Amino acid sequence: GAGVSQSPSNKVTEKGKDVELRCDPISGHTALYWYRQSLGQGLEFLIYFQGNSAPDKSGLPSDRFSAERTGGSVSTLTIQRTQQEDSAVYLCASSFTGLNTEAFFGQGTRLTVV
Amino acid sequence: DAKTTQPTSMDCAEGRAANLPCNHSTISGNEYVYWYRQIHSQGPQYIIHGLKNNETNEMASLIITEDRKSSTLILPHATLRDTAVYYCIAHRGQAGTALIFGKGTTLSVSS
Repeated sequence: GAGVSQSPSNKVTEKGKDVELRCDPISGHTALYWYRQSLGQGLEFLIYFQGNSAPDKSGLPSDRFSAERTGGSVSTLTIQRTQQEDSAVYLCASSFTGLNTEAFFGQGTRLTVV
Repeated sequence: DAKTTQPTSMDCAEGRAANLPCNHSTISGNEYVYWYRQIHSQGPQYIIHGLKNNETNEMASLIITEDRKSSTLILPHATLRDTAVYYCIAHRGQAGTALIFGKGTTLSVSS
């Protein structure tokens, strides 16, 4: 694909339901990031995958949030028992590894918890 | 990665050069200075990065001081479409390090 693809582009869910957000990175990119951006706020780092290394989960806000990356490619961010404060745009990015690299971002999934 | 400091906001007239400063006084020798921008309702977009030397591409120029403690992103002829939040990040760009965004500078270009 030409770029990082995220689906769905918009998701409305009821409070308490679980949601899954998908990210298809650029082919060959070994690094993958998830961020959250609440309305009018900056980018909040959530989790970072790098090849076969253990992911950096230091940004996950609670144990309701989890993410996995299967086969070193597609990643799924799961939010369990969603709360209204989870409403935000969730952004995914991917990059090559090594020095001198740049990250490419998807257009995000807008999650609204009602 | 080293912390960076940027002004909260800046204004620029259309057609003039926009000079966006960034302080990174604790940057280490193997950290690059990266610039990204985020136009409203879009995902962030890579602009440019550098280590020691000044860099130029089709979007912007990056001027890094000799001591590497600060840098300036230059948009030579700002347009209304350059209105965005600009992020300066010191990053090693290698395995094991996440890319962390600060609050950035909101650049407003007006006619």
